[in-house]
Amino acid sequence: DIQMTQSPSTLSASVGDRVTITCRASQSISTWLAWYQQKPGKAPNLLIYKASSLESGVPSRFAGSGSGTEFTLTISSLQPDDFATYYCQQYNNSPYNFGQGTKLEIK
Amino acid sequence: QVQLQESGPGLVKPSQTLSLTCTVPGGSISSVPYYWTWIRQHPGKGLEWIGHIYYSGSAYYNPSLKSRVTISLDTSKNQFSLNLGSVTAADTAMYYCARSPAEYLQHWGQGTLVTVSS
Repeated sequence: DIQMTQSPSTLSASVGDRVTITCRASQSISTWLAWYQQKPGKAPNLLIYKASSLESGVPSRFAGSGSGTEFTLTISSLQPDDFATYYCQQYNNSPYNFGQGTKLEIK
Repeated sequence: QVQLQESGPGLVKPSQTLSLTCTVPGGSISSVPYYWTWIRQHPGKGLEWIGHIYYSGSAYYNPSLKSRVTISLDTSKNQFSLNLGSVTAADTAMYYCARSPAEYLQHWGQGTLVTVSS
């Protein structure tokens, strides 16, 4: 199985900050990576697929990059609605494992 | 926005089979090339991919659950289902269904909480 590791596990930031979350795969997954945002009590919401493709309707302040084993999700200017938990998921090989999540908190 | 809806018992006894259904709005579940996926989330924890079934009927499962899980399509009702056998308290979780044109997860249901307890 491919293991996905996110860092940091928790991130404290302020509105307007630029933040970056990292996701590392235990082996190369090309660009078969997605990012999701989850708010408490809600289902996850797709932000990015194929490492850098922005899902329709997702604000352009979200951007994904990377290939191989290292990937990043960047939020260019944090908005109040962005404080949530973020997950990466590889879909190169089954089982399509997720990272453990990064909780983005208000500083 | 695509609205998927999970349904099924909220309480299942240990050793029994957990059965959930995901209802899909609109067109036929078996005629459009989508992946139909089940995911779960243990309370306060991360996400676990359970498995998916392609519109053609080919199914793939997480090896950690493979011996106990079946995902199937019901084309007459435009639904897909999850059966997880021999459940224990460790199977208590929020269960989500999802649809996507590829193996990522584009549209999610709202989720349904299943508790395994006697």
